[in-house]
Amino acid sequence: DVKVTQSSRYLVKRTGEKVFLECVQDMDHENMFWYRQDPGLGLRLIYFSYDVKMKEKGDIPEGYSVSREKKERFSLILESASTNQTSMYLCASSTAGVLNTQYFGPGTRLTVL
Amino acid sequence: GDSVTQMEGPVTLSEEAFLTINCTYTATGYPSLFWYVQYPGEGLQLLLKATKADDKGSNKGFEATYRKETTSFHLEKGSVQVSDSAVYFCALSDGGATNKLIFGTGTLLAVQP
Repeated sequence: DVKVTQSSRYLVKRTGEKVFLECVQDMDHENMFWYRQDPGLGLRLIYFSYDVKMKEKGDIPEGYSVSREKKERFSLILESASTNQTSMYLCASSTAGVLNTQYFGPGTRLTVL
Repeated sequence: GDSVTQMEGPVTLSEEAFLTINCTYTATGYPSLFWYVQYPGEGLQLLLKATKADDKGSNKGFEATYRKETTSFHLEKGSVQVSDSAVYFCALSDGGATNKLIFGTGTLLAVQP
């Protein structure tokens, strides 16, 4: 079975802190994604990566950056956390190519105080 | 840009009732369509998909038919169970190589015994 794991299920940080959210997949997938999930807004794509060291902005990249130094790991970085970044963050991965299924991790619920 | 609209929830049904969750889309090309499900405390998982007009996706008793003429992909199940209680997301992919998905806002389904 494909497994996507996220480093924390729950995280509480203070405004202005630098926050790292880690995602690891064990299926040698080329593509990895970071979404945030908010009530009434569904899932919105923050960043995605289609190869090591390659990244592209999604729909809401402001206030976030990403890092992909190894194929299995994709990190989301909040350079200076703000209260409006309180949300559920979901990581996903898929093989390259058209229409391949995205596999999701369990999510990290981040609260910024 | 491309978008997905799905009916607002929550949808509350009794066990064995018939379920319909409406989903319509706007897309410039010929998207593929998906339903994902999120059980409480878990990440999203693919429920079913359809890649071209008139295709029917099905899984676990759920069905959805890709209707190009009405730009719809409604989710149906003939007899729901308590274990079907979850949030359901409709999504589309434009088929690009990076496999990006655009999600609807999600519909919470609560099935009562």
